[in-house]
Amino acid sequence: ILNVEQSPQSLHVQEGDSTNFTCSFPSSNFYALHWYRWETAKSPEALFVMTLNGDEKKKGRISATLNTKEGYSYLYIKGSQPEDSATYLCAFEGGSEKLVFGKGTKLTVNP
Amino acid sequence: DTEVTQTPKHLVMGMTNKKSLKCEQHMGHRAMYWYKQKAKKPPELMFVYSYEKLSINESVPSRFSPECPNSSLLNLHLHALQPEDSALYLCASSQGQTQYFGPGTRLLVL
Repeated sequence: ILNVEQSPQSLHVQEGDSTNFTCSFPSSNFYALHWYRWETAKSPEALFVMTLNGDEKKKGRISATLNTKEGYSYLYIKGSQPEDSATYLCAFEGGSEKLVFGKGTKLTVNP
Repeated sequence: DTEVTQTPKHLVMGMTNKKSLKCEQHMGHRAMYWYKQKAKKPPELMFVYSYEKLSINESVPSRFSPECPNSSLLNLHLHALQPEDSALYLCASSQGQTQYFGPGTRLLVL
């Protein structure tokens, strides 16, 4: 059974704080690691698709790193804003078009 | 048009009803997906269609019947569901690695 774990499960930060969370996944049969941002009552929004060990991607104040050898990815948010409040999901792809999702990290940014 | 739309947004049905969920995309994507998400659990893949043909069925019970009438549309026909089938049903499409999701249909089976 393929296991994708995300931690922490939830996180409360103050506006302006920087934060990060973790996704761990199997280090074998790796094809890609996906990050999504999901606001309540909206569609999950694709943030990053990461494929290469050591990859680092950035989108505005959000960045992500990837370590395929040890099976983890970090998502960083610099200077959190209330509009960053969402659930952040990671998904492991093993090359079969099938994404296996973690349970997500629910981020709440207090003004 | 860069979005995936799903209808209805909410659905309540009895165990003897027949209903359908609809998903539409006009991005020319070749692959379309159905996922099921129960509360506090991650989304789980149900079906994948590639070029309008079913390519993956994750051992989903036959009371869920997918259909891909054309490259823009994906349906999920529901019949004789159980209360434990109550969940959020998400549709996605892709061309390349990124999957683009709709907002989901929240289904309640009574």
